[in-house]
Amino acid sequence: KQEVTQIPAALSVPEGENLVLNCSFTDSAIYNLQWFRQDPGKGLTSLLLIQSSQREQTSGRLNASLDKSSGRSTLYIAASQPGDSATYLCAVNQNAGNMLTFGGGTRLMVKP
Amino acid sequence: SQTIHQWPATLVQPVGSPLSLECTVEGTSNPNLYWYRQAAGRGLQLLFYSVGIGQISSEVPQNLSASRPQDRQFILSSKKLLLSDSGFYLCAWSKGTGLTDTQYFGPGTRLTVL
Repeated sequence: KQEVTQIPAALSVPEGENLVLNCSFTDSAIYNLQWFRQDPGKGLTSLLLIQSSQREQTSGRLNASLDKSSGRSTLYIAASQPGDSATYLCAVNQNAGNMLTFGGGTRLMVKP
Repeated sequence: SQTIHQWPATLVQPVGSPLSLECTVEGTSNPNLYWYRQAAGRGLQLLFYSVGIGQISSEVPQNLSASRPQDRQFILSSKKLLLSDSGFYLCAWSKGTGLTDTQYFGPGTRLTVL
């Protein structure tokens, strides 16, 4: 059974810092890995999707990498801003039904 | 553009009462539909998914059920709620099951069972 773990569970940084969020998964047989953002009491917003054949994806200040063989992904946020404060979730898609297995999330707070 | 709606936004129900949560998608056809639950202290858990009208697959055995009466409508139901059913219920859709199909989530329903 696939298990997805995110470290750290919570992170507090001053504005302007570059930071890395980590995601690990136990079964490397995945179709893709996705990163989402969730604001308190809200639904999820898709940030990046990395196919199993890809090594990284970039969107603005966000860069996600994937090392499928080691079961790891990182989300790099450059020049963090208070508006980046949210919970970040990674999820792996392991089957043809596009069913996702989520990690527990990293709660990020960026202080002005 | 595509949009996904969920209602109600919040719900407080007594133990043993029935439940019906509704999710609808606009601007697309033949979407894959998903129900997730996010309970306090636990991660997002997939409950049901559907690849077409009347086609429902359950991931977790429980007292909940799902139905898809129309192409873009997904309903989560229960005949008798338990305290453990409390949580944040999220509906999601995707275009298909391909390698590049991300999931788009609705705003969620906060359910409290007392």
